[in-house]
Amino acid sequence: GDSVTQMEGPVTLSEEAFLTINCTYTATGYPSLFWYVQYPGEGLQLLLKATKADDKGSNKGFEATYRKETTSFHLEKGSVQVSDSAVYFCAHAYNNNDMRFGAGTRLTVKP
Amino acid sequence: EPEVTQTPSHQVTQMGQEVILRCVPISNHLYFYWYRQILGQKVEFLVSFYNNEISEKSEIFDDQFSVERPDGSNFTLKIRSTKLEDSAMYFCASSGSLGGSVLVYEQYFGPGTRLTVT
Repeated sequence: GDSVTQMEGPVTLSEEAFLTINCTYTATGYPSLFWYVQYPGEGLQLLLKATKADDKGSNKGFEATYRKETTSFHLEKGSVQVSDSAVYFCAHAYNNNDMRFGAGTRLTVKP
Repeated sequence: EPEVTQTPSHQVTQMGQEVILRCVPISNHLYFYWYRQILGQKVEFLVSFYNNEISEKSEIFDDQFSVERPDGSNFTLKIRSTKLEDSAMYFCASSGSLGGSVLVYEQYFGPGTRLTVT
């Protein structure tokens, strides 16, 4: 069945380091792809999205490109900040029914 | 900016008791969802609701669970007889703007209700 696989965490980086969190998906069609972020003690917030192949989603310095050939949607940021410490979830959805989430990757950024 | 709200933020209940978790979705959205997240684990889909009926549900959503949209604004999740393993964070979400493109699939999540079953 369809699924989303993220790199396992936790990931610990120093401030201003480059971030990559890998995400790959299996799908029978062409879902929309999302990254959500969960800050400590809070709910899920949409970080960015891409709805078709080669689309690049971006927000708050984060980027991810919908790669159909590698079925990937890796999250990147050039220079992380302490405030980026959170759990990041990759997800996909075909329609307005259900969204499939990856297991989440915890990021800790140290000053 | 419109947001999804949930009440209560934390609910403690005894095993076997009924609980109702409440959500107010974004007002012009058409699709409503419940998810749960057991502490430190994956976000799991429970159920989706559209046009006043369940459109999809997962195997987690058994006969102990039910959802309702009792009026034009609230969306509730009821657990009839809670078990210890129901302890989790429950998130409500909504999507699909009326008058907008229903091809836009991003879901907006509430802050969650932490359910503790003792």
